[in-house]
Amino acid sequence: EPEVTQTPSHQVTQMGQEVILRCVPISNHLYFYWYRQILGQKVEFLVSFYNNEISEKSEIFDDQFSVERPDGSNFTLKIRSTKLEDSAMYFCASSEEGQGTEAFFGQGTRLTVV
Amino acid sequence: GENVEQHPSTLSVQEGDSAVIKCTYSDSASNYFPWYKQELGKRPQLIIDIRSNVGEKKDQRIAVTLNKTAKHFSLHITETQPEDSAVYFCAASRIPTFGRGTSLIVHP
Repeated sequence: EPEVTQTPSHQVTQMGQEVILRCVPISNHLYFYWYRQILGQKVEFLVSFYNNEISEKSEIFDDQFSVERPDGSNFTLKIRSTKLEDSAMYFCASSEEGQGTEAFFGQGTRLTVV
Repeated sequence: GENVEQHPSTLSVQEGDSAVIKCTYSDSASNYFPWYKQELGKRPQLIIDIRSNVGEKKDQRIAVTLNKTAKHFSLHITETQPEDSAVYFCAASRIPTFGRGTSLIVHP
């Protein structure tokens, strides 16, 4: 069964550094998402991406964040100047269509900022 | 944007009992309501969903009801089993906006 894959599974970085989280969405899916889950809290929407551009973003997704689809398969989240409070599990998701269709989640990347 | 409220935050039941988790949403334009189950340390996975043209949907031991007028929807799990223990998230809108989650604990 096709699935969304994310790398790395765990990333430790020093405060102030930049990190890139990588995702490979399911191949025939057109919509891609990044979510964040701080330990013990709810899954928070960051950004959605369609047709090579951001379609929606939340107030969390400020200038510190950017997304890119550098090739036909990868979808990346870049976090610049990481802060301690960026420590969280970051989930990538994809869906075949946008509205009213199931979002399939990757296994997540646990980001620890020290 | 959409705002989703979920209750209770924790639900503890005995094996075999029923469990009900309730959510409300704010955006009347929302038309898709999935429920995700997240086991400890794992990814959220869809367990059931409902669209706004349907009032109820059932899949074996789980069912979801939707009241569009009142803007609330509920997850019902019957004959709970220990393996049902997990965090359950409701979501609403075309980009899943999640509730805070309900930690369901099923005691054997």
